Amino acid sequence: EVQVVESGGGLVQPGGSLRLSCAASGFTFSDHYMDWVRQAPGKGLEWIGRIRNKANRYGTETAASLRGRFTLSRDDSENSLHLQMNSLTSEDTAVYYCARVGRWDGAFDLWGQGTMVTVSS
Amino acid sequence: EIVLTQSPGTLSLSPGERATLSCGASQSVSSSYLAWYQQKPGQAPRLLIYGASSRATGIPDRFSGSGSGTDFTLTISRLEPEDSAVYYCQRYGYSPPFTFGQGTKLEIK
Repeated sequence: EVQVVESGGGLVQPGGSLRLSCAASGFTFSDHYMDWVRQAPGKGLEWIGRIRNKANRYGTETAASLRGRFTLSRDDSENSLHLQMNSLTSEDTAVYYCARVGRWDGAFDLWGQGTMVTVSS
Repeated sequence: EIVLTQSPGTLSLSPGERATLSCGASQSVSSSYLAWYQQKPGQAPRLLIYGASSRATGIPDRFSGSGSGTDFTLTISRLEPEDSAVYYCQRYGYSPPFTFGQGTKLEIK
């Protein structure tokens, strides 16, 4: 089955760190760019960042408001994607989704079910 | 950064009717890199339309997209109860940020 599955969410104190993972299966993960998107409770979708494929040197892009705190990485040998989040605040409370970027068009054509991150003391 | 504004905020229609959802961009969206997603409560978003007018795999032909430049439309004909959801437009492509509109909530009476 073609899917991506996020994990690693949970409760973290303000100022803390968390590393999210996204496991891919059923497709050639190494061919694709991958993105992270989040959604605060009751709010809309917010793009977090992108990591390109090996052919594009695993280049990353991060939303300006998150740069310096959030870091994307991937391990093609494990078909996995990661999001390292540091200096977390309550405003980072959200469901975090990983999404596959379509190879030929670039839209987000496959999404995981998301993992919830709650930042609270 | 391109800002996307969706209207209306909420739309309430009956089964069998047609829904027209709008997405306006603050700058021209190049190469029609405009997508529409459907999100039902408790679920992840699902790609409906890419390239402004191309249906994603498995999407019924009741869903259609149109537009170019700064004005885009998602039309859902012959509404069914399962179409109740929030719909988001997104500017995507290869030059970030890949912003989303704020969403339109579609309610089926």
